[in-house]
Amino acid sequence: GAGVSQSPSNKVTEKGKDVELRCDPISGHTALYWYRQSLGQGLEFLIYFQGNSAPDKSGLPSDRFSAERTGGSVSTLTIQRTQQEDSAVYLCASRLWKNTGELFFGEGSRLTVL
Amino acid sequence: DAKTTQPTSMDCAEGRAANLPCNHSTISGNEYVYWYRQIHSQGPQYIIHGLKNNETNEMASLIITEDRKSSTLILPHATLRDTAVYYCIVVGDDMRFGAGTRLTVKP
Repeated sequence: GAGVSQSPSNKVTEKGKDVELRCDPISGHTALYWYRQSLGQGLEFLIYFQGNSAPDKSGLPSDRFSAERTGGSVSTLTIQRTQQEDSAVYLCASRLWKNTGELFFGEGSRLTVL
Repeated sequence: DAKTTQPTSMDCAEGRAANLPCNHSTISGNEYVYWYRQIHSQGPQYIIHGLKNNETNEMASLIITEDRKSSTLILPHATLRDTAVYYCIVVGDDMRFGAGTRLTVKP
């Protein structure tokens, strides 16, 4: 597709389970970002990938959160041993290159931890 | 932390201009100012961006002060559909968003 694609759109899981969220950026975009948005809150930066460089993980809230980007394209955000406070919408965005161009967002993955 | 500060909320009458301010006093010389908005339950949407000069497109105008320490997004004729959270961000590598301004357009 032409836009940023995220899956699943909705995920309900039990506390303590692991979850994986997927992001497929726009083809050719070298920069990819993950954000978290809790209900009624702003966008919280999580992690940033730029090409083959080491990712900027400074926004990850705990070591239960990790992300990878394989082949410079698809990215997976993994949350281990989920907690109720992890419930949020997880948004992925991409842009052509760092410092240039607009950021294109996916529609997000809504995670609910029971 | 985000490099910008914005008012938490603003109201605007339908049909009137909405002027949304943003302070970015620590902006560097080569950093752009970008504006996005997020309508309830949707992903953020790009509006406009600028470096030094004022910019205008079909959605809005962006006025940047000469010292570049602040800017104003102008929606010239606000409609009810412009009700959203508006984010002003200084574009660096990590693209950190602040809390934004919740604009409510009232009939």
